[in-house]
Amino acid sequence: DAGVIQSPRHEVTEMGQEVTLRCKPISGHDYLFWYRQTMMRGLELLIYFNNNVPIDDSGMPEDRFSAKMPNASFSTLKIQPSEPRDSAVYFCATPQVTSGRARGELFFGEGSRLTVL
Amino acid sequence: AQKITQTQPGMFVQEKEAVTLDCTYDTSDPSYGLFWYKQPSSGEMIFLIYQGSYDQQNATEGRYSLNFQKARKSANLVISASQLGDSAMYFCAMREGGGGTASKLTFGTGTRLQVTL
Repeated sequence: DAGVIQSPRHEVTEMGQEVTLRCKPISGHDYLFWYRQTMMRGLELLIYFNNNVPIDDSGMPEDRFSAKMPNASFSTLKIQPSEPRDSAVYFCATPQVTSGRARGELFFGEGSRLTVL
Repeated sequence: AQKITQTQPGMFVQEKEAVTLDCTYDTSDPSYGLFWYKQPSSGEMIFLIYQGSYDQQNATEGRYSLNFQKARKSANLVISASQLGDSAMYFCAMREGGGGTASKLTFGTGTRLQVTL
């Protein structure tokens, strides 16, 4: 298994543009998490899905942010319109069941570094 | 109130020495899990070690051990025989509630560890 795959790895865009970040989770897992990391706020949970359904989106900063999971192997996080304060690293993650005991640690993708000018 | 507190923004340790990174947590849930992650300068989040609230013994994973003091609500990470490659940001995280795949983790602000010659 290739792990959690995110794209793009780096994105530079101008304020007002639409940004779409993509995630391919580890196959066979029914939960998917989107986190954002900034210097000021650290790692924040934005939203998570169970069986492709959004369960908790209370961390989504505002209506400019939306996330979808149309199937078990793909999720998107969209920002429209983007603003400079959205500059951050966005991580996608799925839980790992280890040795038959679900501890719940997350496996993270390598992240998408977004810069909004 | 912060659920996870890491009071050391930065730490220095000499190569081959041991170092302790502090983490305190706050929860009223009797069932929870505590995690440590390493984030090198390349940016990926690497899972290091897990401690469950009902685990009787402190967790160990190679050179990493977790000093779990439940009454004090602390879960300090101990790295023995530090190596230059241990230089990174270290995050403590908590999952409230039982294990399973709903791994909604709350992260601390991190400690930057620098290993020197």
